[in-house]
Amino acid sequence: GAVVSQHPSRVICKSGTSVKIECRSLDFQATTMFWYRQFPKQSLMLMATSNEGSKATYEQGVEKDKFLINHASLTLSTLTVTSAHPEDSSFYICSARAGEVNSPLHFGNGTRLTVT
Amino acid sequence: AQSVTQLGSHVSVSEGALVLLRCNYSSSVPPYLFWYVQYPNQGLQLLLKYTSAATLVKGINGFEAEFKKSETSFHLTKPSAHMSDAAEYFCAVSDGPLDYKLSFGAGTTVTVRA
Repeated sequence: GAVVSQHPSRVICKSGTSVKIECRSLDFQATTMFWYRQFPKQSLMLMATSNEGSKATYEQGVEKDKFLINHASLTLSTLTVTSAHPEDSSFYICSARAGEVNSPLHFGNGTRLTVT
Repeated sequence: AQSVTQLGSHVSVSEGALVLLRCNYSSSVPPYLFWYVQYPNQGLQLLLKYTSAATLVKGINGFEAEFKKSETSFHLTKPSAHMSDAAEYFCAVSDGPLDYKLSFGAGTTVTVRA
């Protein structure tokens, strides 16, 4: 079946540095990818929607200059957390879908980011 | 805006007992509702979805959910729990039938006692 690979699964970084998270569709072309964030004991919150070859659409309250999303190919989207701060520590999950009508949504395993 | 609330962050059941996970939604338009499961160290998997075709929806692994408009609920049930059902379960709502732009609940962790 379709698989979405997310890397890394865990990352620890120092405050002020940038971290890149990759989301790859392994056996289908992902026309659209979504990025979510989940704080402990809270819901998964949609951060942004990215379509291959165009700029991401960010949800209200999400800083686009802090959370850089690139969807340069049909199999790869990246989320870069720039100048990370401890409050950015969270669980980040991507999902992807193909372009066909009724194509299902496939989720990655998530990335646990800890900023020290 | 659409949202869902999952009642109970943790549910513990005995093997063979009924599993009941509660989800209430808020929506200004007819909702599209979903249940997802996340097993340890894995991505979210779709259990079932409601898209207005039938109020009782059957999903994978013996789970089903009933849409009740009068109660704004979409509770998930399974008659007999298995050890393999231990996971985290998320209720979600979408503004379209194809799970576009999902809004998730906080999740309910299910543990199954032998």
